[in-house]
Amino acid sequence: DIQMTQSPSSLSASVGDRITITCRASQKISDYLNWYQQKPGKAPKLLIYAASTLQSGVPSRFSGSGSGTDFTLSISSLQPEDFATYYCEQSDSSPVTFGQGTRLDLK
Amino acid sequence: EVQLVESGGDLVQPGGSLRISCAASGFSVSDTYMRWVRQAPGKGLDWVSAIYSGGSKYYAESVKGRFTISRDNSKNTLFLQMNSLRAEDTAVYYCVRVGQDYGDYYFMDVWGKGTTVTVSS
Repeated sequence: DIQMTQSPSSLSASVGDRITITCRASQKISDYLNWYQQKPGKAPKLLIYAASTLQSGVPSRFSGSGSGTDFTLSISSLQPEDFATYYCEQSDSSPVTFGQGTRLDLK
Repeated sequence: EVQLVESGGDLVQPGGSLRISCAASGFSVSDTYMRWVRQAPGKGLDWVSAIYSGGSKYYAESVKGRFTISRDNSKNTLFLQMNSLRAEDTAVYYCVRVGQDYGDYYFMDVWGKGTTVTVSS
C-alpha cells in the first residue's frame, strides 16, 4: 500500500495568515492526489482533486500543487471557518490511502 | 439535491453482526462508484470497501472475509454487512460517492453524515 505522510501534524495560525500543508507519498503517484477538510463532528468535504483542481464551490483562497511524491495545500488568507483538520488522499492505486491529517487551529 | 443518509449504527458485542445502510437521493447508486470509509474515535480516515457501477467489489485487508458491500437498486440504497465484529471496527462509517474527472481521476465528492458502530461487551 502507498503510505501518505502529512506535515506538520498540527499547526497554529491566525486569521489572515497564509499557510501550507505538505503531503508526501511513499512512491510516485503522478497527480492522483486529493485534499479534504473535516470539521469536528462533521463528514469530510472535498476541496481539491487531481492535485490542483478546485472542487466546485470551494473558495479560491485554497490551492493545491505538486506531482510525483510531494504535494502542498495552501490557504492564502485564513478565514475563521478554515480552522479544521485536513487530509490528503492518493487515488493512484488501490487501496486508496490517506495521510494522518493536519489539524489547523487558531493561535 | 444529491444526498447520502446512513443508518443502522449500533452498539454490538464482539463477534456480533450488523448491517448499515446508506440511502441515496439525487443520483442512482446503480450507476455510481461508491465507497465506505470509516474513522475510529480521534483517528484518521480509512477506506473500508468499494463497489463499482458494474458490480465489482473490493475490501480492505482488515475487513476482507468479514464485511460485504451490496446495493439495492430498487431502493437506491447501499449496504455494508459486517460480521465477526471486533473492537477495532469501532468507528463512524461514512457512505461516499466517488466522482470522476479527466478520464481516470477519482475523488470522494459526496459524503453522508456517518453512522456510529461501537463494538464492545
